[in-house]
Amino acid sequence: EAQVTQNPRYLITVTGKKLTVTCSQNMNHEYMSWYRQDPGLGLRQIYYSMNVEVTDKGDVPEGYKVSRKEKRNFPLILESPSPNQTSLYFCASRGTTNTGELFFGEGSRLTVL
Amino acid sequence: AQSVSQHNHHVILSEAASLELGCNYSYGGTVNLFWYVQYPGQHLQLLLKYFSGDPLVKGIKGFEAEFIKSKFSFNLRKPSVQWSDTAEYFCAVGSNSGYALNFGKGTSLLVTP
Repeated sequence: EAQVTQNPRYLITVTGKKLTVTCSQNMNHEYMSWYRQDPGLGLRQIYYSMNVEVTDKGDVPEGYKVSRKEKRNFPLILESPSPNQTSLYFCASRGTTNTGELFFGEGSRLTVL
Repeated sequence: AQSVSQHNHHVILSEAASLELGCNYSYGGTVNLFWYVQYPGQHLQLLLKYFSGDPLVKGIKGFEAEFIKSKFSFNLRKPSVQWSDTAEYFCAVGSNSGYALNFGKGTSLLVTP
């Protein structure tokens, strides 16, 4: 079954404590992306990756890092989380046909105290 | 810069009412258009997409959308909504020259029995 898997699904942490949200896809997709979803603001892209070792900033990259060492994995790293990073995070992947569907993970709800 | 506008932020309808959600985009080139749905507590799923051909596209669960190039619009319609259509709906636009999708801010639909 085609899947994008994120972990953890829920996390409460404190300011400054580094955390990583993992994302893995089993569809051999080249393109992967991270979004955050906030009420009234919709989905905003944080970072994306066109392929292994190729990453680029989206609209709201401040405070986040990513890496793409393998095609299937695209972790999101918060080196020093702050309360304004409390949000719902979605990982997504897409094949390199621009008419193709963007597949989303189940979401990770992060609360930073 | 590309942008996507969804006119209605919150819509409340009674069951069996007809639905139309507006989506306009700003982009100069060839576009691919998508509608995604997010049921409460779930991730985004594709409802339908348009990339060429018949501008009236049909999706899952009785939804359809019409691409009107001259109006830069891709409105979502359903003749008769059900309580189970309660969800958030996102319009998204991608270009033929890249793989990122720009999302609108979403429309929250509540269908009352």
